[in-house]
Amino acid sequence: QQQVKQSPQSLIVQKGGISIINCAYENTAFDYFPWYQQFPGKGPALLIAIRPDVSEKKEGRFTISFNKSAKQFSLHIMDSQPGDSATYFCAASPTSGSRLTFGEGTQLTVNP
Amino acid sequence: DTEVTQTPKHLVMGMTNKKSLKCEQHMGHRAMYWYKQKAKKPPELMFVYSYEKLSINESVPSRFSPECPNSSLLNLHLHALQPEDSALYLCASSNRILSGNTIYFGEGSWLTVV
Repeated sequence: QQQVKQSPQSLIVQKGGISIINCAYENTAFDYFPWYQQFPGKGPALLIAIRPDVSEKKEGRFTISFNKSAKQFSLHIMDSQPGDSATYFCAASPTSGSRLTFGEGTQLTVNP
Repeated sequence: DTEVTQTPKHLVMGMTNKKSLKCEQHMGHRAMYWYKQKAKKPPELMFVYSYEKLSINESVPSRFSPECPNSSLLNLHLHALQPEDSALYLCASSNRILSGNTIYFGEGSWLTVV
């Protein structure tokens, strides 16, 4: 199974709030889990990524939490800002690294 | 700003036309990719080149023909496309085809087939 399931489809958060996006996978061969941010009219840009050997990775306001046994990972955006309004894709790739499988995406809106 | 440059940004073509999308990267990456993205959907992998050789073709119809002239350039030749092929075509590159290598995307070429 190459599928990555992402939820929610859309998310509305007030400025200063916490945005949480969840992803789940089935393929145990996945060993690299990046999150991409995509603004309208732009290509996806890498936001943050994690490997299964750590349970959490933090970069500024963005944190990935990883639960290997549950095969789930999530993105937390602290102190969400209107400029964070974008579509967020979780993704996963196997050891070979040649196929990046994306989740369906979450459209985040941060209201001022 | 992305270091993967794609041209043209917008392309409108008829179903009998032949056109090409171009992509260039100067990061010294040896893996290059074409993805297709429909509105409100994730990118879908089409082709992967590794060291200028086609490594993966995700069963893409032959009306899409990729070409990698050198390590910095990637083309996608288009011929006899259908309206359902209208989408954002994303080029990407990574250091190598290895897990953990960041894949950098260009801004894409918006293709409309009429």
